Amino acid sequence: DAMVIQNPRYQVTQFGKPVTLSCSQTLNHNVMYWYQQKSSQAPKLLFHYYDKDFNNEADTPDNFQSRRPNTSFCFLDIRSPGLGDAAMYLCATSRDRSSGPYEQYFGPGTRLTVT
Amino acid sequence: AQSVTQLGSHVSVSEGALVLLRCNYSSSVPPYLFWYVQYPNQGLQLLLKYTTGATLVKGINGFEAEFKKSETSFHLTKPSAHMSDAAEYFCAVINKNRDDKIIFGKGTRLHILP
Repeated sequence: DAMVIQNPRYQVTQFGKPVTLSCSQTLNHNVMYWYQQKSSQAPKLLFHYYDKDFNNEADTPDNFQSRRPNTSFCFLDIRSPGLGDAAMYLCATSRDRSSGPYEQYFGPGTRLTVT
Repeated sequence: AQSVTQLGSHVSVSEGALVLLRCNYSSSVPPYLFWYVQYPNQGLQLLLKYTTGATLVKGINGFEAEFKKSETSFHLTKPSAHMSDAAEYFCAVINKNRDDKIIFGKGTRLHILP
C-alpha cells in the first residue's frame, strides 16, 4: 500500500543533542510537509517542500532544519533540542495544486522526548 | 485570511447516540474542506473531504458532513456512535486558489460514554 512512513516512532534525545527524524513516502507526491504537534493542539506547520523548493514558515525557529534529498525522503533536523521541543512530529505529503483536490496524507508521527 | 472554528474542544455522547461535531470556516474564495481523525499517538487520517459538487459527503467509518455555503459550515455527523469513535477530530480548510497550506481547527476530542 502506498503510504507515508516515519522513523522512529519514538525518539528520546538529550537536551542540546542534535536529532534527526525521518520520513519517506511511496505516494510519489511532490509536496512534503513537517508539522509539530503538542498535546491537545492542532498540528503546526514548520515548513514544506514543493519538489526541491523549500518553504519555511515565518515563525519556525532556526533550530529546525530540513533536507529533502529526493522525492521519497525528507528529514527534520533539530540542531539543539530544548525541553520545549518535545512534541509529536508529523510528516505529510500531497499532490500539487494542479493535480486537483490535494488532501494531505499523514504519517504515524514521531514522538520526541527531550531529557 | 482563512480560519477554521470548531465549537467545543470536548464533546461527549453516549454509545449509539448521534455524533455532531461543529465546524465553521471563513474563506474569501470557495474552499476545500476536510475532516481528519487522530487516534492517540497516531497521525491524522482523512475521514472525508469536500471539493466541488455534492454538498453532502460521505466518509469512512459511517461519518458524513454537509457543506453549507450560506452558513459557512461543514459539520461532521454520524448517526450512531461507537466506542471506537473516541478520538480527536480536526476540521481543516485549504484555499484552493492560493498556496498548498492547510488550516486546521483546534480540534474536538470526542468521548463516547458506555
